Amino acid sequence: GQQVMQIPQYQHVQEGEDFTTYCNSSTTLSNIQWYKQRPGGHPVFLIQLVKSGEVKKQKRLTFQFGEAKKNSSLHITATQTTDVGTYFCAYMEYGNKLVFGAGTILRVKS
Amino acid sequence: DGGITQSPKYLFRKEGQNVTLSCEQNLNHDAMYWYRQDPGQGLRLIYYSQIVNDFQKGDIAEGYSVSREKKESFPLTVTSAQKNPTAFYLCASKPGQGYNEQFFGPGTRLTVL
Repeated sequence: GQQVMQIPQYQHVQEGEDFTTYCNSSTTLSNIQWYKQRPGGHPVFLIQLVKSGEVKKQKRLTFQFGEAKKNSSLHITATQTTDVGTYFCAYMEYGNKLVFGAGTILRVKS
Repeated sequence: DGGITQSPKYLFRKEGQNVTLSCEQNLNHDAMYWYRQDPGQGLRLIYYSQIVNDFQKGDIAEGYSVSREKKESFPLTVTSAQKNPTAFYLCASKPGQGYNEQFFGPGTRLTVL
């Protein structure tokens, strides 16, 4: 079953506002991945973090892996309508299994 | 995702019928996966295969079966034993050990009437 909790479940923001989704685990993770799924589409890989305290940026997206490697966040600066979709965190478990969080649905009002 | 195909995009079946969903990849990836997605529940792993002729059950394997006779193909059969088969089914693949990124197909939306 899922061992990562994602919050919030749903967020509706005004275009131009910032957005953050959090991924929390009770155990230390070896890595964390983030995926984006557009409405009606399929998940697309965004990034992987593996180091404690790691921060990576992709244009308006900032990804962070906690110092204890038990939590991660995805922050979007100045959201645009193209950012709508569901954002999932996931981690690779033993046996090559990817375990997904339940996702955060982002809606952007223009 | 360009190298993974799933067909058909939409599938309708009557209750009690088995149905097989297709997944093909030309990425030469070793590992392949089947997920089920229901609203608000994220992705749940049904079955996965790390090499040809081998596969393992995921978290919700009951009522499903798979085969991996060829590296590029990993079909999923939804049997009549699956109590609630209506869902969005996603196939994914990834290269072998050391690579964690998964590449997803476009998915098949199965509706059982």
